[in-house]
Amino acid sequence: DGGITQSPKYLFRKEGQNVTLSCEQNLNHDAMYWYRQDPGQGLRLIYYSQIVNDFQKGDIAEGYSVSREKKESFPLTVTSAQKNPTAFYLCASTLEPRVNYGYTFGSGTRLTVV
Amino acid sequence: AQKITQTQPGMFVQEKEAVTLDCTYDTSDPSYGLFWYKQPSSGEMIFLIYQGSYDQQNATEGRYSLNFQKARKSANLVISASQLGDSAMYFCAMREGQGGKLIFGQGTELSVKP
Repeated sequence: DGGITQSPKYLFRKEGQNVTLSCEQNLNHDAMYWYRQDPGQGLRLIYYSQIVNDFQKGDIAEGYSVSREKKESFPLTVTSAQKNPTAFYLCASTLEPRVNYGYTFGSGTRLTVV
Repeated sequence: AQKITQTQPGMFVQEKEAVTLDCTYDTSDPSYGLFWYKQPSSGEMIFLIYQGSYDQQNATEGRYSLNFQKARKSANLVISASQLGDSAMYFCAMREGQGGKLIFGQGTELSVKP
């Protein structure tokens, strides 16, 4: 079945370390998105990509980096510059960002800084 | 400025009764889309219903309906015949811009009482 796979489900990081969250989709979707969710809060956009080798900053991009070398993959790196990285991270995709297609979400990665 | 506003942090409803979750939005783009998602404690985002800005009819999907009042910029979700399994966080979201960014509200936590 087609969908989005996020791995790992749980991730622990020591202070000062970079860590990469994986997001893979087999839906042939053009656009992919990374969101951060803090407890009891809505989702905030970190980065998004409409096509391969191109991506844009969202509302809270500081301390994060992404790449889009392949259509199906959009990994997110949480760098040591991110002051408070403990959060729930969700990846999403849509077939065509300019028309009214729905979005597919992954099951998320819970990142904890220890 | 908040683009999606959900004014009810928490709501209670009796099983089998109907409940309305409020959502107001702000945009100057004539073309936009409005979404409602359900997020259970597992964290996954479950798509419920969609309303396009040019749609003449209010959207319905089974027990879910969207009360779309364009002039008031509101897109309230109505859940009929509530079930215990409806207990979850509910998010209103708006697609805006060429990049297809989804902007989320803060969410409403719905609790269904037996």
